[in-house]
Amino acid sequence: GIQVEQSPPDLILQEGANSTLRCNFSDSVNNLQWFHQNPWGQLINLFYIPSGTKQNGRLSATTVATERYSLLYISSSQTTDSGVYFCAVESDKLIFGTGTRLQVFP
Amino acid sequence: DAGVIQSPRHEVTEMGQEVTLRCKPISGHNSLFWYRQTMMRGLELLIYFNNNVPIDDSGMPEDRFSAKMPNASFSTLKIQPSEPRDSAVYFCASSPDPAETNEKLFFGSGTQLSVL
Repeated sequence: GIQVEQSPPDLILQEGANSTLRCNFSDSVNNLQWFHQNPWGQLINLFYIPSGTKQNGRLSATTVATERYSLLYISSSQTTDSGVYFCAVESDKLIFGTGTRLQVFP
Repeated sequence: DAGVIQSPRHEVTEMGQEVTLRCKPISGHNSLFWYRQTMMRGLELLIYFNNNVPIDDSGMPEDRFSAKMPNASFSTLKIQPSEPRDSAVYFCASSPDPAETNEKLFFGSGTQLSVL
């Protein structure tokens, strides 16, 4: 099946810093989504982005489907950005990566 | 809409007991998914339904696990008998018709299951 790799596995930032999270996948996909799991365990859909670029406030995402990767950008990070960020890709079903654990300190 | 609703939020049970997890998807969503999250294996898809019909149950770990969707607004995941290694957070998620071009997955708050 499709392999989904995320990097880095862990990221520690000071408030205000910018960061880039990467998702690599091993085969063509129909669908790619980014999720944030907050410290209370809630999974929130950030972007549906099978290709191209989208922005939502301080967050933006870019997927280059032909090169099989996606990037999530977080600008001016805040402590509320802490949690785990998952990339999920779909060919016949949605497969999650192992996530990037982000900790933002004041 | 209240979002995907799962119950109970927490379940503690003893090995060998039957466990039933419940899910109410977002109204109008045609697809429903059950995921399990553990530290060791991350988020795993157990089974998903489309229009109340099970489409792929290849992720269901063993015969002790079963899932039903009797109607568009309700699904259950049952474990009988439960074992300590079933301890995990179980998430239910729903999405609109896959034919829609902007398919997004919406998760419930999860059920934290502990089998002692």
